[in-house]
Amino acid sequence: SQQGEEDPQALSIQEGENATMNCSYKTSINNLQWYRQNSGRGLVHLILIRSNEREKHSGRLRVTLDTSKKSSSLLITASRAADTASYFCATRGSARQLTFGSGTQLTVLP
Amino acid sequence: ETGVTQSPTHLIKTRGQQVTLRCSSQSGHNTVSWYQQALGQGPQFIFQYYREEENGRGNFPPRFSGLQFPNYSSELNVNALELDDSALYLCASSFGQNEQFFGPGTRLTVL
Repeated sequence: SQQGEEDPQALSIQEGENATMNCSYKTSINNLQWYRQNSGRGLVHLILIRSNEREKHSGRLRVTLDTSKKSSSLLITASRAADTASYFCATRGSARQLTFGSGTQLTVLP
Repeated sequence: ETGVTQSPTHLIKTRGQQVTLRCSSQSGHNTVSWYQQALGQGPQFIFQYYREEENGRGNFPPRFSGLQFPNYSSELNVNALELDDSALYLCASSFGQNEQFFGPGTRLTVL
């Protein structure tokens, strides 16, 4: 079963705009990670935020985590056509596996 | 490129057959996790291997089994294939429970 749910399921924006994706999860976590997947290929790790962190930045990416609301957001600033992909949040709790959400399909139009 | 490789890239099987998928982990990694990703869904955890032992399992039936070898490479075996087994199978290697690095996946089609 999926732990998290991403919102929206699909997002279409113009190049240069910012893209925001949200993730909600159900159980307590040790960390939350965001991954990108291009056209049904392998997953690329983007960023990890620990449960005691509230915000983290990496290049054009900004991730926030609100453990009281069991939610996270991923912001991609100044988007590019190459950012077109599916984005997944994944949580790690006490168990060993990553539990993924259902993903947001981002399309950046040139 | 993560250094994690999977073979084959694509595979077509018929219902009832058996399949073996392979994964070579990144150098220095001792843990391999396998995931199934159905079309339009997020990956779902199948199981994890650490030092050649199964180290956690998701909600998959026993006909999904695996192996890890002394060089930390791994196999996923699926017996008695069903149509719903059609999916992208991803393996990920890591050093213990640190960040997981994913391979490109094997696309399995069951007819």
